[in-house]
Amino acid sequence: RKEVEQDPGPFNVPEGATVAFNCTYSNSASQSFFWYRQDCRKEPKLLMSVYSSGNEDGRFTAQLNRASQYISLLIRDSKLSDSATYLCVVIRDTGRRALTFGSGTRLQVQP
Amino acid sequence: EAGVTQFPSHSVIEKGQTVTLRCDPISGHDNLYWYRRVMGKEIKFLLHFVKESKQDESGMPNNRFLAERTGGTYSTLKVQPAELEDSGVYFCASSHMTSLAHQRVDEQFFGPGTRLTVL
Repeated sequence: RKEVEQDPGPFNVPEGATVAFNCTYSNSASQSFFWYRQDCRKEPKLLMSVYSSGNEDGRFTAQLNRASQYISLLIRDSKLSDSATYLCVVIRDTGRRALTFGSGTRLQVQP
Repeated sequence: EAGVTQFPSHSVIEKGQTVTLRCDPISGHDNLYWYRRVMGKEIKFLLHFVKESKQDESGMPNNRFLAERTGGTYSTLKVQPAELEDSGVYFCASSHMTSLAHQRVDEQFFGPGTRLTVL
C-alpha cells in the first residue's frame, strides 16, 4: 500500500467549475501536509500548506482530517491555467524534513 | 533572486557508465534535498543535507549512489555504475535553515530536474 494515495484522474472540468481532490495517508504520525502543483515536465511548486483548522487561499481551500487521515483540496471557479497535476505531500516523521509524495491527480480545465 | 539550478538538464548514458548531477541551491539555504521520480512512480526522497552534513540519507537506494556537498554550497549526486532502473528525473530542492526542535517547516523550492536516461 502506498503511503500517500491519490486518484490519478484525469479530472476534466469546464472553466468555472468547482473541483475537489482527495488524498489519504497511511502513517498516523504524519506531521505536516501540503498540496504541490506540477506542470507538465516542470518541477513541483508549493501550492499551499494544509492545517487542521482548514485554510483558504483565494479560490483554493485545503482541509485536513487527522482522524480519517484524509486531506482535500477544493478549487473554485476553475481557470484554464489551473490545468496541472496536483500532488498531495506529507512529512511523516517527527524530526525529519523528507517529503513523501502521492502520485498526483491530473486536472484538465477545458474552455 | 535565482532559484535552484541543476545541471545537466538531460543526460543519456549507457548502462555501466558514471554520471554526476549537480545542484546549486538558493543562496543562503542550508537545507538541500535530492529526490527522484522514476517512470510511472511518485517522487521519492533520496537524502537531505544540512550545510555539508548528511542529515538523512534513508532514501538512497544503494551504494551506487554517492552524494556530496563539500563546503555546504552546491551538491553533486554521482551514480556509478548506472543501471537501467536508474532512469528518471532527479530533482534537487533547498530550504532555509529551520530548527527541528521547534518543528518549523520551511518551503522546499525545487529545481527543474535532471532527466537521466540509462540505455
